[in-house]
Amino acid sequence: EVQMMQSGAEVKKPGESLKISCQGSGYSFETYWVAWVRQIPGKGPEWMGIIYPPESNARYSPSFEGQVTISVDTSVSTAFLEWSSLKASDTAMYYCARFVLGYNGRFDLWGQGTLVTVSS
Amino acid sequence: EVVLTQSPGILSLSPGERAALSCRASQTFTTTYLAWYQQKPGQAPRLLIYGASTRATGVPDRFSGTASGTDFTLTISRLEPEDVAVYYCQQTGSSPAFGPGTKVEIK
Repeated sequence: EVQMMQSGAEVKKPGESLKISCQGSGYSFETYWVAWVRQIPGKGPEWMGIIYPPESNARYSPSFEGQVTISVDTSVSTAFLEWSSLKASDTAMYYCARFVLGYNGRFDLWGQGTLVTVSS
Repeated sequence: EVVLTQSPGILSLSPGERAALSCRASQTFTTTYLAWYQQKPGQAPRLLIYGASTRATGVPDRFSGTASGTDFTLTISRLEPEDVAVYYCQQTGSSPAFGPGTKVEIK
């Protein structure tokens, strides 16, 4: 089955670090970009950044540049989203998505989401 | 950077009616870089339309997309109760930003 499986929900305190994951399976992981998307409850999705597994250099939305780090481990077909110091405002649902970049671009396969709650 | 505006914010219709959702871009871009998504409560977004008018696999044919310049439209020809959701357009270039969404409700 073609899917993107994300790590489980997290509850953290402000200032703590966190790394969540997204594993692609059933397709050639290195052929597609991977995107990370934030969705605050009741709001629309916001793209945070994208990464191409063979190159491992991420591109970030200006809104998230310097706030998070996106990385990938091709040996386990997994992309990561990392924070070094969480804030309460990072509380949100985070999705990864497979991204067909270019002609007929689209986020055609989504993970189930990882809920991150940051509270003291 | 392309900014997408969606209207109306909320669309309330009866079952069987036709729904027309608008997405307007702040500047022109190649229409192959426009996608539509459906998001139901508690679920991840689902790809409906890409390339402005191509239905994704498994999407019912009551969903269709059109493009004219900077104006894009998602049409649901006959609204069904399971179509209640928020619909987002997205410009899918190298900065794949989403529009703010249109909420579709059933009267």
